[in-house]
Amino acid sequence: AQSVTQPDIHITVSEGASLELRCNYSYGATPYLFWYVQSPGQGLQLLLKYFSGDTLVQGIKGFEAEFKRSQSSFNLRKPSVHWSDAAEYFCALASGSARQLTFGSGTQLTVLP
Amino acid sequence: GAGVSQSPSNKVTEKGKDVELRCDPISGHTALYWYRQRLGQGLEFLIYFQGNSAPDKSGLPSDRFSAERTGESVSTLTIQRTQQEDSAVYLCASSLGTGVAGYTFGSGTRLTVV
Repeated sequence: AQSVTQPDIHITVSEGASLELRCNYSYGATPYLFWYVQSPGQGLQLLLKYFSGDTLVQGIKGFEAEFKRSQSSFNLRKPSVHWSDAAEYFCALASGSARQLTFGSGTQLTVLP
Repeated sequence: GAGVSQSPSNKVTEKGKDVELRCDPISGHTALYWYRQRLGQGLEFLIYFQGNSAPDKSGLPSDRFSAERTGESVSTLTIQRTQQEDSAVYLCASSLGTGVAGYTFGSGTRLTVV
């Protein structure tokens, strides 16, 4: 069975600092991988996705993620965090049929002024 | 419409009552999904509709849960005889074709069963 693990429940960073959110997955083949962000009272917004090809993918809002097959990871990064980035971040995986996504339990990001 | 619309945004109901949650997907999106998000947890898949194909109901937690979709338009998620453990945010998403392109989510319905 496929699964997604986000080891960090809560991360706090200072505004302007760099950020890395961890995501590990378990799946028998190369998955489709996604990062979503959820602001309070809002639905989920897609930040970026990986299907194949270049393992470093660029997304919206200055985010990027790197797919590392050897580590079964898809970590999200941002070089300089803004206060508006405070939100909950979800990593998700889709199998080849992609009829449903399997989500991690999320990482809550707090940004200090 | 421009986005995925869900109604109501909030619903408080008494234990044992039935509730209906509505989702209006983006026009032209053939796929529609329902997910449940319990407090502090990730999203759990409930059901998937793709065009006129039979829905994938594999995520529905019990027979108290059902969903319908008319063609490629509005979907309704119904929970019968609600229980306190049904309290959650119910999120709807739609996509072109399969979910590979990524979903567009609605802002959800927060259901509280008292």
